[in-house]
Amino acid sequence: EIVLTQSPATLSLSPGERATLSCRASQSVSNYLAWYQQKPGQAPRLLIYDASIRATGIPARFSGSGSGTDFTLTISSLEPEDFAVYYCQQRSNWPLYTFGQGTKLEIK
Amino acid sequence: EVQLVQSGAEVKKPGESLKISCKGSGYRFSTYWIGWVRQMPGKGLEWMGAMYPADSYARYTPSFQGQVTISADRSISTAYLQWRRLRDSDTGIYYCVREHGGSSDYWGQGTLVTVSS
Repeated sequence: EIVLTQSPATLSLSPGERATLSCRASQSVSNYLAWYQQKPGQAPRLLIYDASIRATGIPARFSGSGSGTDFTLTISSLEPEDFAVYYCQQRSNWPLYTFGQGTKLEIK
Repeated sequence: EVQLVQSGAEVKKPGESLKISCKGSGYRFSTYWIGWVRQMPGKGLEWMGAMYPADSYARYTPSFQGQVTISADRSISTAYLQWRRLRDSDTGIYYCVREHGGSSDYWGQGTLVTVSS
């Protein structure tokens, strides 16, 4: 099983600041990595797939990068609605998809 | 507009059976894999498995193999997740997702399953 480790577990920032979230895989997943955002009481929402492609309707302030084992989700300038939990998911090993444990982005 | 609408919350006792549903609309249901994701209370996301409705071919992660059954009725564009014997540890929110390319691009609203004696 491919293990994804997200860091930090919690990130405290203010609106307008830049957020950098990390996801590291226990073995190469090529570019088969997606990012999701989940707000309290809501279903997750797709943000990024294939490591760097923004999903339909996702604002340009969200960007993804990386390949192999190291990936980053960057939010260039935080808006109030961006404070949520973010999960990465590897899609390299069908059907053994796995998620990271999540990073909680909270208001400082 | 693509939508996945799931059945309502359930409260069951250990040992009981359960089948929850996920109805797709706004797209050709048979030709996209439907997956299921579990979220236990206060925890992260776990991928359970998926099915291709066109031929009912299903794949499961080892943790869920033999514990649940994923099925679908193409005629009503509905996928199902079924348990024969529930356990306390099955308590959680279950999401259905549409699989497209490199992502789970659409998510159902989730079904809360509570198993308690």
